[in-house]
Amino acid sequence: KAGVTQTPRYLIKTRGQQVTLSCSPISGHRSVSWYQQTPGQGLQFLFEYFSETQRNKGNFPGRFSGRQFSNSRSEMNVSTLELGDSALYLCASSPISGGYNEQFFGPGTRLTVL
Amino acid sequence: GIQVEQSPPDLILQEGANSTLRCNFSDSVNNLQWFHQNPWGQLINLFYIPSGTKQNGRLSATTVATERYSLLYISSSQTTDSGVYFCAVLNSGGGADGLTFGKGTHLIIQP
Repeated sequence: KAGVTQTPRYLIKTRGQQVTLSCSPISGHRSVSWYQQTPGQGLQFLFEYFSETQRNKGNFPGRFSGRQFSNSRSEMNVSTLELGDSALYLCASSPISGGYNEQFFGPGTRLTVL
Repeated sequence: GIQVEQSPPDLILQEGANSTLRCNFSDSVNNLQWFHQNPWGQLINLFYIPSGTKQNGRLSATTVATERYSLLYISSSQTTDSGVYFCAVLNSGGGADGLTFGKGTHLIIQP
């Protein structure tokens, strides 16, 4: 079974621009979660989508948004980029939402904001 | 929210040595996972272990949920074991915040 895939793997943007990242979960998995990793804050939860609905949301500003499609693929969007948005963005998939449920991570998208 | 503390933060060992990494958490959990982050940033699943003991080759893990800690054991370390090890939990009090990660243990195995 193929693992979680993320595209693109690397991105360079400038302040004020917006960016869209994509995540394809493991086949059959319906939950996709997004995380941000920075040297200062570590790994932090952004949001989770299940059955095309946002189920949970972390403590991030509204510039961070996402969506999920009927095939469970998910995108996250960051608008009006700031230097502090430079980070590794990881997505994780799991069969269902929440509870006793192992999550599997993709390789990440490394975003640099100049 | 739930707090996750990992220790030690850094660990340097010689090849062949054994090591124990600890993860303490502040509340009851539905999910506890151990990951190894490779040099390219991907989180590799090691164990899904909300309770009990599991073994996979040279690695094993134990979670004592009632005492709110988990241990990851690495035996006969190899240089390829180097990297950052993360513990992550999902609070059974709702899980509204996704997985909460510790700050990791940075392990260096010297030849």
